[in-house]
Amino acid sequence: AQTVTQSQPEMSVQEAETVTLSCTYDTSESNYYLFWYKQPPSRQMILVIRQEAYKQQNATENRFSVNFQKAAKSFSLKISDSQLGDTAMYFCAFVSGTYKYIFGTGTRLKVLA
Amino acid sequence: NAGVTQTPKFQVLKTGQSMTLQCAQDMNHEYMSWYRQDPGMGLRLIHYSVGAGITDQGEVPNGYNVSRSTTEDFPLRLLSAAPSQTSVYFCASSGDRLAGGGDEQFFGPGTRLTVL
Repeated sequence: AQTVTQSQPEMSVQEAETVTLSCTYDTSESNYYLFWYKQPPSRQMILVIRQEAYKQQNATENRFSVNFQKAAKSFSLKISDSQLGDTAMYFCAFVSGTYKYIFGTGTRLKVLA
Repeated sequence: NAGVTQTPKFQVLKTGQSMTLQCAQDMNHEYMSWYRQDPGMGLRLIHYSVGAGITDQGEVPNGYNVSRSTTEDFPLRLLSAAPSQTSVYFCASSGDRLAGGGDEQFFGPGTRLTVL
C-alpha cells in the first residue's frame, strides 16, 4: 500500500529564517506526482508546489522549493525568508495513476515575529 | 469564476439522520473528489469521480454515497449519520489533463459536520 509520512507534527521558525518540512512516501510505482498543500487558519487548502517524479529537477515557486530524492522516497519542502503569512498546516500528498490521492498527517508551522 | 463551492458551511445532525453535502465547480473539471479531515489524520479520500456518470471509492467510503449526473455537481450523501462521521469535509476538483491524476486540485472552503 502507498503511504505518506510527515514525521514533524509541529515546527516553528523565526521570521526571515529558513525552515525545512520533511515528507517521505512509499510506493512501488515509477511515475507519480507529489504535492505540498498549505492550509492556513482560514481552512482553505492552497497548492504550494508540485513535483513530477520523472523530472529530476527540483520544483521551485518563489520562496518555496523542494528537495526531491526519488531513490530515498523523500520530498522535503524548504521555505526561505519565512513570513508571518506562512503560518499554516502543511500537507504532503501523493498520487500515482489511480486518481487516489494520499495525504500525510500534516506539519503545523508557526512563524514567529 | 466561483471555483469550488460547498454548502452548507456548518451542519449539526443527530445520529441516524440523513443529509447531502453539496459541491459544485464552474471550471469544467472532469475530476472531483470528497475528503474528510480529522485531527492528526490529514485528509482522507472518501469518493471520487473522473466524469459524469463515473464514480469510485476512495480510502474511507463506508457510510457515504455519491453520484455524478453533471460535470458541475458532485453531492455527498450521508444515509444514516453516526458520531464517527463528525469531521470537516472538503470537495476538490482538477482538470484531469493527466491520466490517473497529477493536476493541481482546487478545494472548496469545507463543511464542518457534527453528529450528536
